[in-house]
Parts: sequence; C-alpha cells; structure tokens
Amino acid sequence: QKEVEQNSGPLSVPEGAIASLNCTYSDRGSQSFFWYRQYSGKSPELIMFIYSNGDKEDGRFTAQLNKASQYVSLLIRDSQPSDSATYLCAVNTRGSTLGRLYFGRGTQLTVWP
Amino acid sequence: DAGVIQSPRHEVTEMGQEVTLRCKPISGHDYLFWYRQTMMRGLELLIYFNNNVPIDDSGMPEDRFSAKMPNASFSTLKIQPSEPRDSAVYFCASSLAPAGGLDEQFFGPGTRLTVL
Repeated sequence: QKEVEQNSGPLSVPEGAIASLNCTYSDRGSQSFFWYRQYSGKSPELIMFIYSNGDKEDGRFTAQLNKASQYVSLLIRDSQPSDSATYLCAVNTRGSTLGRLYFGRGTQLTVWP
Repeated sequence: DAGVIQSPRHEVTEMGQEVTLRCKPISGHDYLFWYRQTMMRGLELLIYFNNNVPIDDSGMPEDRFSAKMPNASFSTLKIQPSEPRDSAVYFCASSLAPAGGLDEQFFGPGTRLTVL
C-alpha cells in the first residue's frame, strides 16, 4: 500500500504569516512530488512540483523535499486570504503503477485578514 | 487548449438509474484518470488508462462501475444501477507520458453526481 499522509488540519494563519503544509509518503521508490490547490467547489490545480532533494521556490511558494526522511512540505510566505483552500500532496511511484499519482487527504488552509 | 472537458457538470438521478459520465482529455495526453471525491474518503483513483488501455482498475468500487476509452479523445464512466452512496464529485484528469519523472495531471471541472 502506497500511502501519502498530510497534516490533517484545518490550518488557520493570519494574513502575512507563513503557512507550512506537510506531507509524508511510504514508498521510497517515489520520484516526483506535487502540490495541488483546490478551492471549494473547484477542481485541483497544480501549483508546485519537485523531484530533487532540497528547496524549490516559485514566488511566494516553496516546496521542500527530503527523500531520506520521505517528507515533502509546502511553505506559503506572506499568506493571503486568496490562499484559503485545500492543499493536496501527490506522489508518483514507478514500476507497475507507472503514470499514477497517489494523493493525500488534503489540508484545509484558512488565511484570515 | 480547452483543458479537460467533462459532461455533464451536474447530474441528479434516482436510485437504480444508469448514469454515464463523459470526459475529453487534453489532446496529446496519453494517460486518462477517473477519480471520485467525497468528504469522507477524499480523492480516490477509480481507474486509469494509458493509450486507451485500462491499466489499473483496482479502485473501481464494484461491478456496478465500468469505464471505457474507445479512442484517444473520449472516455466514459458508467454506473449501473446507481445508489445513493455513489453521490460524489467525479473528476477526470489527463497527463502526458511520464518524462523525467514529471507526471503532472490536469483535472477537468468535475461532475457532481447526486443519487436520490
């Protein structure tokens, strides 16, 4: 069973703060990692991907990957009310499940003004 | 590109009726995925196709569910007979063939199914 676990939340932060979202995965063969954002009533949309250990920054978003610890995180700096959404962590594995992503249950983030 | 297209966007039906959900993936994408999302279970993969061939249908809940992909630009998910517990949002997603470890999936707008 390939599992992806996320901090269950909900997470609530004030506007301007840093929001930290965490995800762990069970399969050491995982090779690529994704963060999707899902607004209420909408479909998931990709905001970040990472496949090398370390940090990857894109604007206010930073994805962090530590394959040894099987841990991936998403930091949102200068959080805005428009960041309020559910964030889904997704992980790719290889082998017989080539092409498939495994999703976590999501963490609901609320940014209050 | 228009993105992944799903129809209908909303479906309300009565228990026992047949329901057919439709999906048109992004042109050129080799993978197509059907997901179901509920508050209780989150986003669940039902089945996925590679080059129109079903690869993994282990997530299909039971024989009442079936999926087909007759060509590269069209897929259906059918529920027959439908039950109230099938009420959920059904998403279709597509992706390119994996390259360099990147398997970004693009989601359609979803079909909200309500079975009374």
